[in-house]
Amino acid sequence: DTGVSQNPRHKITKRGQNVTFRCDPISEHNRLYWYRQTLGQGPEFLTYFQNEAQLEKSRLLSDRFSAERPKGSFSTLEIQRTEQGDSAMYLCASSLDTFYGYTFGSGTRLTVV
Amino acid sequence: KNEVEQSPQNLTAQEGEFITINCSYSVGISALHWLQQHPGGGIVSLFMLSSGKKKHGRLIATINIQEKHSSLHITASHPRDSAVYICAVKNTDKLIFGTGTRLQVFP
Repeated sequence: DTGVSQNPRHKITKRGQNVTFRCDPISEHNRLYWYRQTLGQGPEFLTYFQNEAQLEKSRLLSDRFSAERPKGSFSTLEIQRTEQGDSAMYLCASSLDTFYGYTFGSGTRLTVV
Repeated sequence: KNEVEQSPQNLTAQEGEFITINCSYSVGISALHWLQQHPGGGIVSLFMLSSGKKKHGRLIATINIQEKHSSLHITASHPRDSAVYICAVKNTDKLIFGTGTRLQVFP
């Protein structure tokens, strides 16, 4: 297991297009988190899953955003009708239950032009 | 006011200097994390603390729960320590991050 894997690493899209990102967590980790980081800022929480259940969603996650973790393994984050303000680094992290540390992926950098 | 505040925002040092980065928080936490982020985005977890002090190599992290304050120290700093250091607190089931401290260590 090589850690948390995110794909793609970079994505450039035109405003109005839909994009989907994928996160493959460490296989035995049951918790998976999505964060968004804009330039010069710390990451902000978007949503998290315990197994396949989405337990919390931030108010940052507008109706254009949807996340899934269908079999409790990998997760996808989809952004519909992208806007320039969606440009950011999207980070995924996983953990083994709530008492353990986190392992972060390298992120997907989205640029909306 | 941010729930997690870090200082300083930017820090430059000469190789060999002792470095301290501070983190204050205003929410209840179950743990505090220190993370390192290099250009390109990847984040590495350095420490997870709920009390006292932890040491790993040249890195030392301390936390004072009563004062809601933590510090990250780097002894004998080296240019390869140059990165953004982020403090994050665990509140319920998610992390709340500070904005990071950008450290540059010059030879």
